[in-house]
Amino acid sequence: DSGVTQTPKHLITATGQRVTLRCSPRSGDLSVYWYQQSLDQGLQFLIQYYNGEERAKGNILERFSAQQFPDLHSELNLSSLELGDSALYFCASSAGGWTGELFFGEGSRLTVL
Amino acid sequence: KNEVEQSPQNLTAQEGEFITINCSYSVGISALHWLQQHPGGGIVSLFMLSSGKKKHGRLIATINIQEKHSSLHITASHPRDSAVYICAVSAKSNYQLIWGAGTKLIIKP
Repeated sequence: DSGVTQTPKHLITATGQRVTLRCSPRSGDLSVYWYQQSLDQGLQFLIQYYNGEERAKGNILERFSAQQFPDLHSELNLSSLELGDSALYFCASSAGGWTGELFFGEGSRLTVL
Repeated sequence: KNEVEQSPQNLTAQEGEFITINCSYSVGISALHWLQQHPGGGIVSLFMLSSGKKKHGRLIATINIQEKHSSLHITASHPRDSAVYICAVSAKSNYQLIWGAGTKLIIKP
């Protein structure tokens, strides 16, 4: 158990819909990272937050947004969903503002029909 | 050219063999990570290195900062080691993680 909790584990929705994925980092970790992994693809970095502030942005679509709350949990919002958004979405946390050891959640599997 | 290159892309070996996976990078780094992703999808951090060598059980990771190269070794490999092994580096310039494409390892009984 990494200590990182992601919900929901599985989500099936329709095109055009909006979903929210939630991540609770390991206790004490200030950084949260979001990654997207499409079928048989590598991890694509979406965005990083450190102590509530956006730290780094990767290939995150404009239809996607994220935030980190004062209690350090983070949410990734995906809107106007398309079939191609079907993927595993991973959250990871680390202690520092730079990348210390990473701890990954089990992922949220999103299926868009 | 990718900033982080892993080799081989795919590796199939027999149980008991000594396994080596390589990672070369072209940027200045503050740390290098080795991670393991099982077929079920879960990702586990194996090592974080900034110099030298680390060992955990049958896994050994080494890094040569001057040569910008790291290796992950698995001794006495076992079918349960079958997974994708991913190298990632923390770029010194902005601390962002740059990911390798992964090495898919299959260990046959």
